[in-house]
Amino acid sequence: EADIYQTPRYLVIGTGKKITLECSQTMGHDKMYWYQQDPGMELHLIHYSYGVNSTEKGDLSSESTVSRIRTEHFPLTLESARPSHTSQYLCASSKGVMNTEAFFGQGTRLTVV
Amino acid sequence: QQQVKQSPQSLIVQKGGISIINCAYENTAFDYFPWYQQFPGKGPALLIAIRPDVSEKKEGRFTISFNKSAKQFSLHIMDSQPGDSATYFCAGAMDSSYKLIFGSGTRLLVRP
Repeated sequence: EADIYQTPRYLVIGTGKKITLECSQTMGHDKMYWYQQDPGMELHLIHYSYGVNSTEKGDLSSESTVSRIRTEHFPLTLESARPSHTSQYLCASSKGVMNTEAFFGQGTRLTVV
Repeated sequence: QQQVKQSPQSLIVQKGGISIINCAYENTAFDYFPWYQQFPGKGPALLIAIRPDVSEKKEGRFTISFNKSAKQFSLHIMDSQPGDSATYFCAGAMDSSYKLIFGSGTRLLVRP
């Protein structure tokens, strides 16, 4: 079982609200990632971090922002939620040396009404 | 730009049969090709991975076949079981970037 945790698991929120999706890992991994998963399954990288104070935008444009103040914590924030943000958000982490296994959290299913 | 193309989108196999999922990649700089398995309500989990210096890797009932010249790789699940019913994702990555680029996924259903 991967030691990476996402909260909340499910969130229903009204349009215009600010939300933060939490992601924490206890494995000491340098690399962390946020993926957005469509209902049709595809996984799109929206943010990644190679370490503390390092964040980059992924391949899919997203209105969300991220921060990496501590190694273990990689929260994602939406300043003003819209129905188009409805999706599943998956957080992942991996070790720093070459490509190794990425461990995923269980995801947060966000619904904006 | 879809760098990893996966097929089929869905697959139904009888128990004991062989499940085959195919992927093709465009980026020749990829040097790591993992397969992930995702059950409903869970995040993806690494199943098996291969690097382009080998043509095949086997772990139990799961085998990756890799064809570097064709830029293709596939997952074979031998003796498929109902417990293998899940969504499978192939991916590619460069050691220099650490970013996984996923295929579109294949929903596998193994009938008893």
